[in-house]
Amino acid sequence: GESVGLHLPTLSVQEGDNSIINCAYSNSASDYFIWYKQESGKGPQFIIDIRSNMDKRQGQRVTVLLNKTVKHLSLQIAATQPGDSAVYFCAETPITGGGNKLTFGTGTQLKVEL
Amino acid sequence: DAGVIQSPRHEVTEMGQEVTLRCKPISGHNSLFWYRQTMMRGLELLIYFNNNVPIDDSGMPEDRFSAKMPNASFSTLKIQPSEPRDSAVYFCASSSPGGRPGELFFGEGSRLTVL
Repeated sequence: GESVGLHLPTLSVQEGDNSIINCAYSNSASDYFIWYKQESGKGPQFIIDIRSNMDKRQGQRVTVLLNKTVKHLSLQIAATQPGDSAVYFCAETPITGGGNKLTFGTGTQLKVEL
Repeated sequence: DAGVIQSPRHEVTEMGQEVTLRCKPISGHNSLFWYRQTMMRGLELLIYFNNNVPIDDSGMPEDRFSAKMPNASFSTLKIQPSEPRDSAVYFCASSSPGGRPGELFFGEGSRLTVL
């Protein structure tokens, strides 16, 4: 079946630098793309989403970019902080017929070095 | 406000035993999801409910797994009999009817170890 996957399993960045986490997806029928953050020992937490008719969306210190031509999604974190250390998952869902049924990617571990 | 509450947080059991995981969704949320997380397979959707009705159980591995939602504030995931390959972290999540598509609120998970 179709799936969502990530390019890099582990990303190490220096505190204060910007982080970019990438994701490739294969289901062109998806309507929403979402990023989740999972800290050790906790459940995933919603960060930001983007609809398929957009190519960029900004939040607080985070930006999500969507390139439908190459089916690529990225999460940019500005001025990365130690508290950003976690595993980041991309996920996708169709609006119609799928409700909030999410398909998650495999995850990228972000490590912030002091 | 209380988030999604799962119990037990940790369970260690022996192969063949029955396991029951419990979930209390956020009040007012009408969708509930059970996910399983392993290193090998990542986060997998097992089943989800809308308004207490199971909508999609295609992710349930086999007949040993069953899930119920008798009311809007409680759900169970049962494994009978359990096997070592069922060892994983099981997450429950809920979502609001007026929330953003794809915005799920996860509990802290139940870590299951089957010996």
